[in-house]
Amino acid sequence: AQTVTQSQPEMSVQEAETVTLSCTYDTSESDYYLFWYKQPPSRQMILVIRQEAYKQQNATENRFSVNFQKAAKSFSLKISDSQLGDAAMYFCAYRTLQGAQKLVFGQGTRLTINP
Amino acid sequence: KAGVTQTPRYLIKTRGQQVTLSCSPISGHRSVSWYQQTPGQGLQFLFEYFSETQRNKGNFPGRFSGRQFSNSRSEMNVSTLELGDSALYLCASSLKVTGNTGELFFGEGSRLTVL
Repeated sequence: AQTVTQSQPEMSVQEAETVTLSCTYDTSESDYYLFWYKQPPSRQMILVIRQEAYKQQNATENRFSVNFQKAAKSFSLKISDSQLGDAAMYFCAYRTLQGAQKLVFGQGTRLTINP
Repeated sequence: KAGVTQTPRYLIKTRGQQVTLSCSPISGHRSVSWYQQTPGQGLQFLFEYFSETQRNKGNFPGRFSGRQFSNSRSEMNVSTLELGDSALYLCASSLKVTGNTGELFFGEGSRLTVL
């Protein structure tokens, strides 16, 4: 079974600075999806960024980028120019490419932005 | 278009009662999955439905059940409620077609408190 580990329960960063959230996973599959989801205090989970394992190029979405190291099974999220609205719980998630729509989530990292 | 809609948003029950939660997916999405979110266990997959059929089930007791209707709306039911069932129950919908992006779209959740 796949597992996802986020080793940082909490992180904080000064507004406008850069922060990196860590995620490692374990799987025997060669093709899969990886996601970072954001859950603000309003609770609705929102997709931040997505990475397909077969793509070597790291995904980027505006201020958000990932460092995907497939051999190391590592998938970190970098947030540049942090904004107050980035404050939330961030979840790393794994999804198999075949069949189930099931996401396996990490325990989450609570990100605080200091003004 | 409208997002994933979950009802009710909040509810309080007592031990031994049963509860039914509802989820309306994004129009056109035929796959609906349910997750339980608790501070201790994090986000755990409950089940996934597609075309009115349960396709996958997580490691939860038989007290947890669900169904999906022909319009893709889904309900989940928890019988004989226990204190440990207190959680945020999240519903997610997705397009289950070959080559999709793999993204799940989440509702705001139903907060269940068991007294």
